[in-house]
Amino acid sequence: DAKTTQPTSMDCAEGRAANLPCNHSTISGNEYVYWYRQIHSQGPQYIIHGLKNNETNEMASLIITEDRKSSTLILPHATLRDTAVYYCIVRVWGSGNTPLVFGKGTRLSVIA
Amino acid sequence: EAGVVQSPRYKIIEKKQPVAFWCNPISGHNTLYWYLQNLGQGPELLIRYENEEAVDDSQLPKDRFSAERLKGVDSTLKIQPAELGDSAVYLCASSPAGTGGEQFFGPGTRLTVL
Repeated sequence: DAKTTQPTSMDCAEGRAANLPCNHSTISGNEYVYWYRQIHSQGPQYIIHGLKNNETNEMASLIITEDRKSSTLILPHATLRDTAVYYCIVRVWGSGNTPLVFGKGTRLSVIA
Repeated sequence: EAGVVQSPRYKIIEKKQPVAFWCNPISGHNTLYWYLQNLGQGPELLIRYENEEAVDDSQLPKDRFSAERLKGVDSTLKIQPAELGDSAVYLCASSPAGTGGEQFFGPGTRLTVL
């Protein structure tokens, strides 16, 4: 079973920041937080991952609380093409290529 | 560089018929995964290969599902016979050998069983 809890759906106005929360209160010390997204009729796509420090790449920023029990994915300037289901996943790093355990994710709708 | 290739993209069959899905992973990726995605749900692992060896097939319904990756490159997933409940998207993913980095997914095959 997925070890994360996410809201079912969210709306965001185009051009505004989209902040997607995720709870992972039972996360272990060696588990990373991963985010993937799935645009309609496509396979999931990796966005970002982190352990405890905040991370940023060209797609998004990941903010992890100090106790690591929750995190927020930030899309700084959402566009219509960011409409997708976003999955928050916790996974052990360094244990080989273990499979991803997906929950139901958050359906983000970016509105013009 | 080409991504993960899957075919066909769509398949419609009648129940009790056989069906097969093909996946060609990204070149050089040792690990290959087959996931099943039901409508409104996240993907669930069916089987994972490390090269040609199936290292995790505990979720594969072996009475009707089979998979192979004979030369450690492309892979085929088969259902025989198909049931109505098998209607879903079948996703293939691959990743390079190592410590559990990014997985790259194909577009999936949408199966409809009538």
